[in-house]
Amino acid sequence: DAGITQSPRYKITETGRQVTLMCHQTWSHSYMFWYRQDLGHGLRLIYYSAAADITDKGEVPDGYVVSRSKTENFPLTLESATRSQTSVYFCASSGGSGVSGTQYFGPGTRLTVL
Amino acid sequence: DQQVKQNSPSLSVQEGRISILNCDYTNSMFDYFLWYKKYPAEGPTFLISISSIKDKNEDGRFTVFLNKSAKHLSLHIVPSQPGDSAVYFCAASEWGAAGNKLTFGGGTRVLVKP
Repeated sequence: DAGITQSPRYKITETGRQVTLMCHQTWSHSYMFWYRQDLGHGLRLIYYSAAADITDKGEVPDGYVVSRSKTENFPLTLESATRSQTSVYFCASSGGSGVSGTQYFGPGTRLTVL
Repeated sequence: DQQVKQNSPSLSVQEGRISILNCDYTNSMFDYFLWYKKYPAEGPTFLISISSIKDKNEDGRFTVFLNKSAKHLSLHIVPSQPGDSAVYFCAASEWGAAGNKLTFGGGTRVLVKP
């Protein structure tokens, strides 16, 4: 089915380990985004990308790395996981900018760092 | 400092009545605003948006009002239905180096009682 998918849906890891969260979209959208959702903060932007090899930092980028070698994929890597990175992570994509740039979200990955 | 705030964490309303959700923002550079709806264990889904040059946008039971001078927007749901029970996020958009960046409020949990 067309859409935006995230994997894994649930992940438990230990402090200090590297973790990669995957995001794949089938709409050929140019723009892709990573957010984290924490109680009391709503969703906060981690990184976003306008196209392959074009990325920029969002509000909370520290401790995260992204890459975008293909338009349809936007993996998010936690280089050395910390407990404060326990959160629900959402990937989103959009096909345009401005009012036509509505972002569509994946189902989320719940990450627990022990 | 939060640029987008939803001051009511929860709202309870009777089926058939009006639900009014409020959102305040501080950044004058936001160029359009969106409302998202979120069910548990799912990603946010787009509901309705409004450009900063408009003061009202309507889509079926959902109407968003924007008061730029007060930096305030609201979402009206009329009539409210039990299926509207969810968390609603207000979001504001501004252009960044790699696309539109969304800044979210903390969310309002709506419960519609039958």
